[in-house]
Amino acid sequence: ETGVTQTPRHLVMGMTNKKSLKCEQHLGHNAMYWYKQSAKKPLELMFVYNFKEQTENNSVPSRFSPECPNSSHLFLHLHTLQPEDSALYLCASSQEGLQGWTEAFFGQGTRLTVV
Amino acid sequence: AQTVTQSQPEMSVQEAETVTLSCTYDTSESDYYLFWYKQPPSRQMILVIRQEAYKQQNATENRFSVNFQKAAKSFSLKISDSQLGDAAMYFCAYRRVDKLIFGTGTRLQVFP
Repeated sequence: ETGVTQTPRHLVMGMTNKKSLKCEQHLGHNAMYWYKQSAKKPLELMFVYNFKEQTENNSVPSRFSPECPNSSHLFLHLHTLQPEDSALYLCASSQEGLQGWTEAFFGQGTRLTVV
Repeated sequence: AQTVTQSQPEMSVQEAETVTLSCTYDTSESDYYLFWYKQPPSRQMILVIRQEAYKQQNATENRFSVNFQKAAKSFSLKISDSQLGDAAMYFCAYRRVDKLIFGTGTRLQVFP
């Protein structure tokens, strides 16, 4: 596999459920991101991990919990979500450093529906 | 704060014709990067073109070109010889440090 892979592609969960979204990148990048895409709104940056360290938490509610065990994997743990959390969740990766950087490469997203 | 505005929620173009998508942004920085991303129905965001703010020359990638007006903070995308496969959502984005700030997108329809 190449690029950025997200699983699952679709997820329906109840408000009391706990689930996790997974992202894996095969590009050798050192930075990974979670974005939320809702209809008619700009993509919202949720979390940034650089060298496995979280460098940004964009005022995201605690019901979203990211985990980055290594530079190739990123998870988003979900619990007690609300219907308004239904959206497309996109993962991206890039290479960041003083010597230069690459553009962000995106996965195909997980379509999350909270019922 | 940096913002990116795309004022055209939807655009349409006839196959083989040319269409221009608009984008304006707000920043106090002098050195930055701008991008156009395409999101087809497969949902994967694909980089179309990028522009470095310190370069006066407009970026070009095959049928895609930009009109970068730094003083006006404008960054439009021109698609020439439109093809059916160009139909998608197009997002303008501004890079700040290691983060991308996106506009709301423009849905492009291409008619045969």
